[in-house]
Amino acid sequence: EDQVTQSPEALRLQEGESSSLNCSYTVSGLRGLFWYRQDPGKGPEFLFTLYSAGEEKEKERLKATLTKKESFLHITAPKPEDSATYLCAVRIGATGRRALTFGSGTRLQVQP
Amino acid sequence: DTEVTQTPKHLVMGMTNKKSLKCEQHMGHRAMYWYKQKAKKPPELMFVYSYEKLSINESVPSRFSPECPNSSLLNLHLHALQPEDSALYLCASSQVGGGAGTDTQYFGPGTRLTVL
Repeated sequence: EDQVTQSPEALRLQEGESSSLNCSYTVSGLRGLFWYRQDPGKGPEFLFTLYSAGEEKEKERLKATLTKKESFLHITAPKPEDSATYLCAVRIGATGRRALTFGSGTRLQVQP
Repeated sequence: DTEVTQTPKHLVMGMTNKKSLKCEQHMGHRAMYWYKQKAKKPPELMFVYSYEKLSINESVPSRFSPECPNSSLLNLHLHALQPEDSALYLCASSQVGGGAGTDTQYFGPGTRLTVL
């Protein structure tokens, strides 16, 4: 059965304290791994797409990496405005299956 | 521009009402999606439209009726809803086919639905 698991469930950091969020997956035929940021009551905001093991992408204080079993979202020197829920999602390779399967998310709180 | 718009932002309805949610995108995307999200849970897929045709229905109750009148618009018609249907309803869109990087789904801000 295809599964996406995110850890930790919640993370509290001090401003400037770097850390990593984990997304592990057991799927057949991965067609892409996606990271989104979601603020309370709003829609998910796209951050990154990763397609193959070894791929890395960066945007400001965020860096996403991908292996054959998991992805990490590294947050360097976070600021309070980085507080949000970070969602990982995978698209599997079933024919015609365009939908995303989401992990349960990591709620990040960055304190000043 | 990667904007998906949804109206209304908030909706309160009784169990006997009929209402509709609307979603619009002008990115030329030919796949559009409805997701339902309960508090502190991830989005759950409801429907997928590809080239204006319904391609996936995740066993959603018939009180939810999707419609894709053209390539830019997606509606979700609601009738006889239950209080447990209260949630954030998200619309998303993406390209169809193409190479890596072309199938990213972009989400709208959502409609907060409350069923009394």
